Amino acid sequence: EIVMTQSPATLSVSPGERATLSCRASQSVGSNLAWYQQKPGQAPGLLMYGTSTRATGIPARFSGSGSGTEFTLTISSLQSEDFAVYYCQHYNNWPPESSFGQGTKLEIK
Amino acid sequence: EVQLVQSGEEVKKPGESLKISCKDSGHNFPTYYLAWVRLVPGKGLEWMGIIYPADSDSWYSPSFQGQVTISADKSISTAYLHLRSLKASDTAIYFCASGENWKYFRYWGQGTLVTVSS
Repeated sequence: EIVMTQSPATLSVSPGERATLSCRASQSVGSNLAWYQQKPGQAPGLLMYGTSTRATGIPARFSGSGSGTEFTLTISSLQSEDFAVYYCQHYNNWPPESSFGQGTKLEIK
Repeated sequence: EVQLVQSGEEVKKPGESLKISCKDSGHNFPTYYLAWVRLVPGKGLEWMGIIYPADSDSWYSPSFQGQVTISADKSISTAYLHLRSLKASDTAIYFCASGENWKYFRYWGQGTLVTVSS
Protein backbone atom coordinates (compact mmCIF):
# COMPACT_ATOMS: atom_id res chain seq x y z
CA GLU A 1 0.00 0.00 0.00
CA ILE A 2 1.38 3.40 -0.98
CA VAL A 3 1.76 5.79 1.95
CA MET A 4 1.26 9.51 1.29
CA THR A 5 2.99 11.95 3.65
CA GLN A 6 2.14 15.62 3.72
CA SER A 7 4.20 18.44 5.15
CA PRO A 8 3.99 20.55 7.10
CA ALA A 9 1.13 19.43 9.33
CA THR A 10 0.21 23.07 9.89
CA LEU A 11 1.20 26.07 7.77
CA SER A 12 0.67 29.65 8.97
CA VAL A 13 0.57 32.22 6.17
CA SER A 14 -0.72 35.78 5.90
CA PRO A 15 -3.47 36.69 3.43
CA GLY A 16 -2.00 37.79 0.12
CA GLU A 17 1.12 35.68 0.55
CA ARG A 18 2.07 32.44 -1.22
CA ALA A 19 1.51 29.04 0.35
CA THR A 20 3.41 25.91 -0.66
CA LEU A 21 2.15 22.52 0.51
CA SER A 22 4.10 19.29 -0.02
CA CYS A 23 3.06 15.70 -0.55
CA ARG A 24 5.41 12.72 -0.81
CA ALA A 25 4.57 9.18 -1.95
CA SER A 26 6.34 6.11 -0.57
CA GLN A 27 6.80 4.90 -4.16
CA SER A 28 6.29 6.43 -7.56
CA VAL A 29 2.70 7.28 -8.49
CA GLY A 30 3.60 8.92 -11.81
CA SER A 31 1.26 11.88 -12.20
CA ASN A 32 -1.71 10.13 -10.54
CA LEU A 33 -2.23 12.68 -7.82
CA ALA A 34 -5.21 14.78 -6.74
CA TRP A 35 -5.67 17.53 -4.17
CA TYR A 36 -8.75 18.32 -2.08
CA GLN A 37 -9.74 21.22 0.16
CA GLN A 38 -11.84 20.64 3.26
CA LYS A 39 -13.41 23.30 5.44
CA PRO A 40 -14.85 22.62 8.91
CA GLY A 41 -18.20 20.85 8.78
CA GLN A 42 -18.01 20.27 5.04
CA ALA A 43 -17.11 17.41 2.73
CA PRO A 44 -13.81 17.62 0.86
CA GLY A 45 -13.89 19.41 -2.51
CA LEU A 46 -11.79 18.42 -5.52
CA LEU A 47 -9.15 21.03 -6.39
CA MET A 48 -6.74 19.31 -8.75
CA TYR A 49 -6.22 16.00 -10.52
CA GLY A 50 -3.56 14.53 -12.75
CA THR A 51 -1.10 16.54 -10.59
CA SER A 52 -1.75 19.86 -12.30
CA THR A 53 -5.25 19.98 -13.87
CA ARG A 54 -7.58 22.29 -11.97
CA ALA A 55 -11.08 20.98 -11.33
CA THR A 56 -14.05 22.94 -12.66
CA GLY A 57 -14.37 26.34 -11.04
CA ILE A 58 -11.03 26.32 -9.24
CA PRO A 59 -9.27 29.68 -9.58
CA ALA A 60 -5.92 30.04 -11.30
CA ARG A 61 -4.13 30.99 -8.06
CA PHE A 62 -4.12 27.25 -7.31
CA SER A 63 -1.42 25.27 -9.12
CA GLY A 64 -0.02 21.78 -8.80
CA SER A 65 3.33 20.34 -9.80
CA GLY A 66 5.57 17.32 -9.37
CA SER A 67 5.80 13.73 -10.51
CA GLY A 68 6.89 10.36 -9.21
CA THR A 69 7.13 10.77 -5.45
CA GLU A 70 7.26 14.54 -4.82
CA PHE A 71 4.34 16.88 -5.35
CA THR A 72 3.49 20.47 -4.50
CA LEU A 73 0.29 22.48 -4.26
CA THR A 74 0.90 26.21 -4.50
CA ILE A 75 -1.60 28.94 -3.73
CA SER A 76 -0.14 32.10 -5.20
CA SER A 77 -1.96 34.80 -3.21
CA LEU A 78 -3.99 33.57 -0.28
CA GLN A 79 -7.57 34.69 0.05
CA SER A 80 -9.59 34.39 3.26
CA GLU A 81 -11.62 31.51 1.82
CA ASP A 82 -8.44 29.45 1.20
CA PHE A 83 -7.75 28.76 4.87
CA ALA A 84 -8.71 25.10 5.24
CA VAL A 85 -7.24 21.61 5.41
CA TYR A 86 -5.69 20.25 2.20
CA TYR A 87 -5.29 16.58 1.36
CA CYS A 88 -3.35 14.89 -1.40
CA GLN A 89 -4.57 11.59 -2.85
CA HIS A 90 -2.82 9.10 -5.08
CA TYR A 91 -4.78 6.73 -7.32
CA ASN A 92 -3.86 3.67 -9.37
CA ASN A 93 -4.42 3.32 -13.09
CA TRP A 94 -5.89 -0.16 -12.46
CA PRO A 95 -7.17 -1.89 -10.36
CA PRO A 96 -8.77 0.83 -8.28
CA GLU A 97 -6.69 1.60 -5.25
CA SER A 98 -6.02 4.88 -3.55
CA SER A 99 -4.83 6.54 -0.38
CA PHE A 100 -4.78 10.01 1.11
CA GLY A 101 -2.18 11.99 2.96
CA GLN A 102 -2.90 12.99 6.53
CA GLY A 103 -3.57 16.60 5.57
CA THR A 104 -2.03 20.05 5.94
CA LYS A 105 -3.95 22.66 7.88
CA LEU A 106 -3.47 26.09 6.31
CA GLU A 107 -4.16 28.74 8.93
CA ILE A 108 -4.09 32.51 9.04
CA LYS A 109 -0.88 34.01 10.38
CA GLU B 1 -27.19 18.86 -10.19
CA VAL B 2 -25.52 15.77 -8.72
CA GLN B 3 -26.39 15.06 -5.10
CA LEU B 4 -25.25 12.33 -2.75
CA VAL B 5 -27.41 12.13 0.36
CA GLN B 6 -26.24 9.93 3.21
CA SER B 7 -28.11 8.38 6.11
CA GLY B 8 -28.02 10.01 9.52
CA GLU B 9 -25.75 9.96 12.55
CA GLU B 10 -25.27 6.64 14.35
CA VAL B 11 -24.17 5.64 17.85
CA LYS B 12 -23.09 2.02 18.28
CA LYS B 13 -21.50 -0.21 20.88
CA PRO B 14 -18.24 -2.12 20.29
CA GLY B 15 -18.86 -5.39 18.45
CA GLU B 16 -22.04 -4.18 16.73
CA SER B 17 -22.43 -3.73 12.98
CA LEU B 18 -23.85 -0.92 10.91
CA LYS B 19 -24.98 -0.15 7.37
CA ILE B 20 -24.71 3.41 6.04
CA SER B 21 -26.50 4.43 2.86
CA CYS B 22 -25.71 6.95 0.13
CA LYS B 23 -28.46 7.88 -2.33
CA ASP B 24 -27.35 9.33 -5.63
CA SER B 25 -29.38 11.68 -7.80
CA GLY B 26 -28.63 13.86 -10.80
CA HIS B 27 -26.60 11.47 -12.93
CA ASN B 28 -26.55 7.94 -14.28
CA PHE B 29 -25.84 6.09 -11.02
CA PRO B 30 -24.73 2.71 -12.47
CA THR B 31 -21.95 4.24 -14.57
CA TYR B 32 -20.32 6.33 -11.86
CA TYR B 33 -17.82 4.78 -9.48
CA LEU B 34 -18.69 5.32 -5.84
CA ALA B 35 -16.14 5.21 -3.05
CA TRP B 36 -16.31 5.33 0.73
CA VAL B 37 -13.83 7.56 2.56
CA ARG B 38 -13.64 8.16 6.28
CA LEU B 39 -12.28 11.09 8.27
CA VAL B 40 -10.74 10.06 11.56
CA PRO B 41 -9.88 12.87 13.99
CA GLY B 42 -6.12 13.35 14.00
CA LYS B 43 -5.56 10.89 11.12
CA GLY B 44 -7.07 12.57 8.10
CA LEU B 45 -8.92 10.91 5.23
CA GLU B 46 -8.82 7.16 4.61
CA TRP B 47 -9.89 5.55 1.31
CA MET B 48 -11.84 2.44 2.25
CA GLY B 49 -13.00 0.99 -1.05
CA ILE B 50 -15.01 1.56 -4.20
CA ILE B 51 -17.82 -0.01 -6.24
CA TYR B 52 -18.94 0.17 -9.86
CA PRO B 53 -22.72 -0.11 -9.51
CA ALA B 54 -23.31 -1.25 -13.11
CA ASP B 55 -21.90 -4.71 -12.29
CA SER B 56 -21.26 -4.38 -8.53
CA ASP B 57 -17.53 -5.00 -8.93
CA SER B 58 -15.83 -3.71 -5.80
CA TRP B 59 -12.29 -3.15 -4.58
CA TYR B 60 -11.04 -2.53 -1.06
CA SER B 61 -8.08 -0.96 0.66
CA PRO B 62 -5.92 -3.66 2.27
CA SER B 63 -6.54 -1.84 5.55
CA PHE B 64 -10.27 -2.50 5.30
CA GLN B 65 -10.45 -5.78 3.34
CA GLY B 66 -12.59 -8.23 5.28
CA GLN B 67 -13.76 -5.56 7.73
CA VAL B 68 -16.27 -3.81 5.49
CA THR B 69 -18.53 -4.57 2.55
CA ILE B 70 -19.59 -2.10 -0.12
CA SER B 71 -22.75 -2.83 -2.08
CA ALA B 72 -25.16 -1.04 -4.39
CA ASP B 73 -28.80 -1.27 -5.44
CA LYS B 74 -29.14 0.15 -8.95
CA SER B 75 -32.94 0.16 -8.76
CA ILE B 76 -32.89 2.89 -6.11
CA SER B 77 -29.54 4.52 -7.00
CA THR B 78 -28.17 3.80 -3.55
CA ALA B 79 -24.84 2.50 -2.31
CA TYR B 80 -24.13 1.03 1.10
CA LEU B 81 -21.22 0.61 3.46
CA HIS B 82 -21.53 -2.30 5.87
CA LEU B 83 -19.25 -2.09 8.88
CA ARG B 84 -18.76 -5.18 11.04
CA SER B 85 -17.47 -5.76 14.57
CA LEU B 86 -17.18 -2.06 15.28
CA LYS B 87 -14.40 -0.77 17.53
CA ALA B 88 -13.92 2.56 19.23
CA SER B 89 -11.27 3.32 16.60
CA ASP B 90 -14.01 3.20 13.94
CA THR B 91 -15.42 6.43 15.35
CA ALA B 92 -15.26 8.76 12.34
CA ILE B 93 -17.19 10.69 9.74
CA TYR B 94 -17.91 8.45 6.77
CA PHE B 95 -18.28 10.01 3.32
CA CYS B 96 -19.45 8.57 0.04
CA ALA B 97 -17.79 10.09 -3.01
CA SER B 98 -18.46 9.66 -6.70
CA GLY B 99 -16.86 10.37 -10.02
CA GLU B 100 -16.79 9.51 -13.71
CA ASN B 101 -13.83 7.24 -12.99
CA TRP B 102 -12.39 5.44 -9.99
CA LYS B 103 -9.50 7.83 -9.57
CA TYR B 104 -10.72 11.11 -8.04
CA PHE B 105 -14.07 12.37 -6.83
CA ARG B 106 -16.01 15.45 -7.85
CA TYR B 107 -19.12 14.66 -5.85
CA TRP B 108 -19.35 13.98 -2.13
CA GLY B 109 -22.08 13.14 0.34
CA GLN B 110 -22.58 15.29 3.42
CA GLY B 111 -20.95 12.72 5.71
CA THR B 112 -22.31 10.39 8.40
CA LEU B 113 -20.93 10.64 11.91
CA VAL B 114 -20.48 7.22 13.49
CA THR B 115 -19.64 7.05 17.18
CA VAL B 116 -18.62 3.73 18.71
CA SER B 117 -18.67 3.76 22.48
CA SER B 118 -19.58 1.44 25.30
